[in-house]
Amino acid sequence: QKEVEQNSGPLSVPEGAIASLNCTYSDRGSQSFFWYRQYSGKSPELIMFIYSNGDKEDGRFTAQLNKASQYVSLLIRDSQPSDSATYLCAVNNQAGTALIFGKGTTLSVSS
Amino acid sequence: KAGVTQTPRYLIKTRGQQVTLSCSPISGHRSVSWYQQTPGQGLQFLFEYFSETQRNKGNFPGRFSGRQFSNSRSEMNVSTLELGDSALYLCASSLTGTGGYQETQYFGPGTRLLVL
Repeated sequence: QKEVEQNSGPLSVPEGAIASLNCTYSDRGSQSFFWYRQYSGKSPELIMFIYSNGDKEDGRFTAQLNKASQYVSLLIRDSQPSDSATYLCAVNNQAGTALIFGKGTTLSVSS
Repeated sequence: KAGVTQTPRYLIKTRGQQVTLSCSPISGHRSVSWYQQTPGQGLQFLFEYFSETQRNKGNFPGRFSGRQFSNSRSEMNVSTLELGDSALYLCASSLTGTGGYQETQYFGPGTRLLVL
């Protein structure tokens, strides 16, 4: 059973701090990794995707991938109250036709 | 460009009934995936369609079925509804979903189904 694991949280950080969200996956054949953000009552929206080992930065967000350790993370710099949401880590299956999601980490940013 | 649309947005059914949900992908997207989201299980993959063919199926009973039309619009059907089918059903589209790398999937607003 291919799995994606995330700490459910809640992860609480003060405004302006760095939030660090982590994810591990079991399928070594996975090649694509995604972070989605989901506000309560809304559908997931894509924040970032990463395919290669290392870091990928987009504005306040940085995704980090370590395929040897089967680990992917998301850093949010200068966290804002509007970042308060559930963050979902998703990994593709080997065929590339399905995303396997973690159960999400709830982030709370206090002002 | 219009996003993924899903209809209806909300639905209330009783046990034993059946339900059909509809999804229209982003224009030009040919791959449509369906997911079920519940508080306990999170987001779970149901199935994926491309060019009217189901390419992948998740671990759900046969009561859950789907199809895709030539214009890439997709429907999913749940027969003999059970209380546990109450969930948010999400549709996501991508260009082709192939090539060894998963293309980005964009989600619709979802259909919230309540089974009484």
